[in-house]
Amino acid sequence: DTEVTQTPKHLVMGMTNKKSLKCEQHMGHRAMYWYKQKAKKPPELMFVYSYEKLSINESVPSRFSPECPNSSLLNLHLHALQPEDSALYLCASSQIGTGGNSPLHFGNGTRLTVT
Amino acid sequence: GENVEQHPSTLSVQEGDSAVIKCTYSDSASNYFPWYKQELGKRPQLIIDIRSNVGEKKDQRIAVTLNKTAKHFSLHITETQPEDSAVYFCAARAKRGGGADGLTFGKGTHLIIQP
Repeated sequence: DTEVTQTPKHLVMGMTNKKSLKCEQHMGHRAMYWYKQKAKKPPELMFVYSYEKLSINESVPSRFSPECPNSSLLNLHLHALQPEDSALYLCASSQIGTGGNSPLHFGNGTRLTVT
Repeated sequence: GENVEQHPSTLSVQEGDSAVIKCTYSDSASNYFPWYKQELGKRPQLIIDIRSNVGEKKDQRIAVTLNKTAKHFSLHITETQPEDSAVYFCAARAKRGGGADGLTFGKGTHLIIQP
């Protein structure tokens, strides 16, 4: 069982659709992350939220819009996606320590297909 | 930014033998080095991590070594078992500022345990 819950597990959307991915954790972590993983590739960092504020945006296209409503929730709003955006989207969370050495806990991911 | 190189991309070993996966990193400010195991269709799971003030860490059949001077760290799995078959990712993180920083992953090693 994972302590980071992502919904939905699978999502198929057209290029004109608007959808949202959701992530929830109840470990008291104050950092939350979105990663994108293509088949046979490593996870690639998209966004980092620290204390509910966006602290890192890895030059992600604006068709991906993150939101952190509170310390337990993280959303990723999707609009006008392209077929090449099809991938596994992983949410993760961690503590924020002074040493920067807290492990990331990943959710099971949302497998997104853009048609 | 950080760049993590991982070798080999594929590693096939006989059951019971040892497996070694090697990674190098570029950012001398990196101070945290986790290893993740990802089975097909599943989330990355942390198996072991090491901080920069430690040279070696062991957990049962798994060990990690770190050489900060050479910017090199390795994963060692002894007495391999069929359930060790998976993709293994090394990662590195540097601590900057007051917020969280994302992990940079290596490209992954597909470990195959031959019965």
